[in-house]
Amino acid sequence: ETGVTQSPTHLIKTRGQQVTLRCSSQSGHNTVSWYQQALGQGPQFIFQYYREEENGRGNFPPRFSGLQFPNYSSELNVNALELDDSALYLCASSPPGLAVLSTDTQYFGPGTRLTVL
Amino acid sequence: AQTVTQSQPEMSVQEAETVTLSCTYDTSESNYYLFWYKQPPSRQMILVIRQEAYKQQNATENRFSVNFQKAAKSFSLKISDSQLGDTAMYFCAFMQGNNNDMRFGAGTRLTVKP
Repeated sequence: ETGVTQSPTHLIKTRGQQVTLRCSSQSGHNTVSWYQQALGQGPQFIFQYYREEENGRGNFPPRFSGLQFPNYSSELNVNALELDDSALYLCASSPPGLAVLSTDTQYFGPGTRLTVL
Repeated sequence: AQTVTQSQPEMSVQEAETVTLSCTYDTSESNYYLFWYKQPPSRQMILVIRQEAYKQQNATENRFSVNFQKAAKSFSLKISDSQLGDTAMYFCAFMQGNNNDMRFGAGTRLTVKP
């Protein structure tokens, strides 16, 4: 069984640029969540995708956007990068639950380290 | 808003000994889930243990067990027979039932000494 994978591992961008991060969910999982983890802090929820639609969003501005594809892989796009966007970006997938909004354990990928200069 | 507090930024324990990591949370909901995740230097967040709030019995996974005190809103993690591979950041996390926003604490850095 393949776990959650993310690409790239590391990325360096300059302020004002745009970035796309990618995530492949674990086999059989149809829900993907994205988190931002600043250095020395716990992860913060950005948003979640379920069946290709956004299914909840944390306190992040609209320049953070995402997509989920029919194979349940996902992208996180960040426009107009700011220095504070420098962080580890984690993707997590979870399996189908008993109901649309049922809660189930999230399994994390290794993350993408984004540095904004 | 739900918050998760881990009051111990750093802890250390001798190999083979037992250590307890503390976590408290704040919520007005009755249906929720609690998790402990481990993040080693490799960065991958690994699930250690999960507890459903409606279950009175404390969850156990091999050397890892929790002390879930619902009335006190406390969810501590006990690691028995600590091993060098347990060295990592440990995050306590809360998720409300039928929700998707997992809230994490600031983490506790655990070092297991030989």
